[in-house]
Amino acid sequence: EAGVAQSPRYKIIEKRQSVAFWCNPISGHATLYWYQQILGQGPKLLIQFQNNGVVDDSQLPKDRFSAERLKGVDSTLKIQPAKLEDSAVYLCASSLDQTGNTGELFFGEGSRLTVL
Amino acid sequence: QQPVQSPQAVILREGEDAVINCSSSKALYSVHWYRQKHGEAPVFLMILLKGGEQKGHEKISASFNEKKQQSSLYLTASQLSYSGTYFCGTELGDRRQLTFGSGTQLTVLP
Repeated sequence: EAGVAQSPRYKIIEKRQSVAFWCNPISGHATLYWYQQILGQGPKLLIQFQNNGVVDDSQLPKDRFSAERLKGVDSTLKIQPAKLEDSAVYLCASSLDQTGNTGELFFGEGSRLTVL
Repeated sequence: QQPVQSPQAVILREGEDAVINCSSSKALYSVHWYRQKHGEAPVFLMILLKGGEQKGHEKISASFNEKKQQSSLYLTASQLSYSGTYFCGTELGDRRQLTFGSGTQLTVLP
């Protein structure tokens, strides 16, 4: 079974530029998450989708970050304009969550962003 | 509400035991444990739901003390492959948002 796919793996941009990350979850997984992981810290939830609806985006900096999950499958996370403090690894994860409880999260390899 | 993990780092020899703690100031619904090796994605270890049950996987087990809002991860007879950063993730009683702690870096030496 294919895992969570993310691209690009690495991206270097200058501040005030824009960037987009793509994620394709495991087939059949209803819930999709975007986490931001700054070096030396734990993953921080940015947004959580259930199918194509947003469950939680309370920690998403909405003035610069946006995310969508069209048709309840793959998802795109965009940053515009980027700031130096956005340098981090952006992890996408998916879970089956058939019971309504949060189950095992399957993480992708992440997209490492460096903002200069 | 980010859970608090302790210790921040631990170094041990192969075959030794370790305990990693995770605590919250709020009532917890569940505790999740993940391990992340350097440059890799976090990998799921186990989930504990409120009720104080203990779960185990080979030589790695965990407990959840609902009264104290604490969870402990037990690694017995550590192997070199156990090295990595361990994160606990917690869900509060009233919402299903998984919040991770800052991690515990475990190094197992030969």
